[in-house]
Amino acid sequence: EAGVAQSPRYKIIEKRQSVAFWCNPISGHATLYWYQQILGQGPKLLIQFQNNGVVDDSQLPKDRFSAERLKGVDSTLKIQPAKLEDSAVYLCASSLDRFEQFFGPGTRLTVL
Amino acid sequence: DAKTTQPPSMDCAEGRAANLPCNHSTISGNEYVYWYRQIHSQGPQYIIHGLKNNETNEMASLIITEDRKSSTLILPHATLRDTAVYYCIVRVANNAGNMLTFGGGTRLMVKP
Repeated sequence: EAGVAQSPRYKIIEKRQSVAFWCNPISGHATLYWYQQILGQGPKLLIQFQNNGVVDDSQLPKDRFSAERLKGVDSTLKIQPAKLEDSAVYLCASSLDRFEQFFGPGTRLTVL
Repeated sequence: DAKTTQPPSMDCAEGRAANLPCNHSTISGNEYVYWYRQIHSQGPQYIIHGLKNNETNEMASLIITEDRKSSTLILPHATLRDTAVYYCIVRVANNAGNMLTFGGGTRLMVKP
């Protein structure tokens, strides 16, 4: 069974630039999550989708972050414009049931 | 979500059992205990979850005290590949998904 795919794996940008991350969840998983993990901390949930609808985006900085999952399968997370404090690993996860989330390898973003 | 308390770091000798404690004294009756781990430069990996009873799978055992205020994750024969950060999370499992709140976790170092 293929895991959660994310791309790119690494991205370096300058502050005020835009960046987008892509996630393809495990086939059949209706629920998709985006997490932000700052170095030395645990992951923090940004947004949760159920199919193509948003379940929770309360911790998403909506002035600069946006996410979509148009067809209920893959998803894109965008930052526009990026700030220095956005440097982090962005993790995508998907789940089929209430208990187990499957995480992708993450995208490491460095904002200079 | 109930708050959890874990020691920041632990060491374990290879081949010995690793016992990772977690305190969740404010846990509610419908909240589950989840354990995930994160190996360096990888996304978190689900290990096990439980509500009241002790649980065991191919990776680990979860021992929950009778009052549910604390739990212990047991890796019966730790190997070097078990070196990781282990997260204890307490959360209600709802039908819309399962938003995980990660704390600082316990950094387990398995030594030869």
